[in-house]
Amino acid sequence: QVQLQESGPGLVKPSETLSLTCTVSGASISTFYWNWIRQPPGKGLEWIGYSGSTNYNPSLKSRVTISVDTSKNQFSLKLSSVTAADTAVYYCARDRGGTNSYFEFWGQGTLVTVSS
Amino acid sequence: QLVLTQPPSASASLGASVKLTCTLSSGHSSYAIAWHQQQPEKGPRYLMKLNSDGSHNKGDGIPDRFSGSSSGAERYLTISSLQSEDEADYYCQTWGTGIRVFGGGTKLTVL
Repeated sequence: QVQLQESGPGLVKPSETLSLTCTVSGASISTFYWNWIRQPPGKGLEWIGYSGSTNYNPSLKSRVTISVDTSKNQFSLKLSSVTAADTAVYYCARDRGGTNSYFEFWGQGTLVTVSS
Repeated sequence: QLVLTQPPSASASLGASVKLTCTLSSGHSSYAIAWHQQQPEKGPRYLMKLNSDGSHNKGDGIPDRFSGSSSGAERYLTISSLQSEDEADYYCQTWGTGIRVFGGGTKLTVL
């Protein structure tokens, strides 16, 4: 069974860089597509981007970097110059790509608050 | 532009059926979507992939009470024999080359 687990600081200061890691078990990080998604409090889901490319949400593209560490079977999110609007629960999720680019497996999410 | 539109809310009585709608933007009526459920204070869970011909592939452990259908640019999620635990937010999701898109979500209230 594929499992994903997000980790990282729960509090980030404005203008700093948010950094999160997703640890994957039950599947190789070298295959499929590994995504970051976020959900501001009380709002809907927003796709951020996926690994192995620079395919990011155009609204966030200038601030986002997603990278992969195959040795640890992890992938990471960096979001620079954060503001209060970046406060959200951040999820990692896997899709198979192509005609099956749906989020079949999700992490449980981690809340990141941007505040001084 | 690839956009998914969902009504913000729906309600139905315990034991009844409800049909939730997700509408694809103009020019994208052949696209498949996926449905995800988010129960209160929980992360999302994949329910099913729904194709334009109405065929669907459910995730592991998803009850038979959940089914999908399609008509033109509309994609539907039908939940029958509603239970209290079905009260949740339901999101549709689709994809294109290099992009993934969510609808705004529908909050389902079980009366």
